[in-house]
Amino acid sequence: DQQVKQNSPSLSVQEGRISILNCDYTNSMFDYFLWYKKYPAEGPTFLISISSIKDKNEDGRFTVFLNKSAKHLSLHIVPSQPGDSAVYFCAASEDAGNMLTFGGGTRLMVKP
Amino acid sequence: EADIYQTPRYLVIGTGKKITLECSQTMGHDKMYWYQQDPGMELHLIHYSYGVNSTEKGDLSSESTVSRIRTEHFPLTLESARPSHTSQYLCASSGTGKYTGGNTIYFGEGSWLTVV
Repeated sequence: DQQVKQNSPSLSVQEGRISILNCDYTNSMFDYFLWYKKYPAEGPTFLISISSIKDKNEDGRFTVFLNKSAKHLSLHIVPSQPGDSAVYFCAASEDAGNMLTFGGGTRLMVKP
Repeated sequence: EADIYQTPRYLVIGTGKKITLECSQTMGHDKMYWYQQDPGMELHLIHYSYGVNSTEKGDLSSESTVSRIRTEHFPLTLESARPSHTSQYLCASSGTGKYTGGNTIYFGEGSWLTVV
C-alpha cells in the first residue's frame, strides 16, 4: 500500500507559466514533507521542505503548500524554466526518525 | 552542496562477478541509506544504517549486503551479480552533522550498474 502517491506521472508546461506538482499521503503520522528533483543519471537533489506546523513554505521560484486535512501537498514553480525539466519526487517522514517514504515521481517537461 | 560521493558512477560487469559500490560522506551524518531505482520507476529503500555497526534491510528485498564499520563509509556488495541487478543505486545520508534540517536526506550522484 503506497503511503505517498503522485498520481500524475508526467506534466508538460510552457516556459514562463506555473508548474503545479501534486502529492497525496495516507499516513496521518507524517509531519515533515520534502520535494526532490532528479535529472537522469544523477542522484535526487533536495529542493524544499515543509513541516506540519506550516501550510506554506517559499524559496525563490518554489513554493510548497500543505493541506493537512486533505493530506495533500503541492509544489508550485513559477515561472517555469526549461532547466526545471526533471523528475520531481515528494517524500514524507514521521517525527520519530529520518526514514523517508517517497512518491513515485512526476516527470515535468517545460517547453521553451 | 551535499558532500556524499559514490564510486563507480557507471559499471558494466559480467554475470557471476562480485561487485562493491562505494559510498562516503563527509558531513558527519549518522544515518545512511541505499536506494534502488529502475529507470522511470520509484525509489526503493534497500538498506539503511543508523550508525556504526548498525545495518537494516529496507522495504525492497535485495540480494545485496552492506556494512557500516566507519561513520563516513557505507559500501554495498553483490556477491554474484545477475542481469536482474541492473539498476541505479543511490546512496544517501541524513543527520545533524554538517547540514542542519534533521529529516533531510542528501543523495549521492548514483551508481549505474549494468550486468551482462
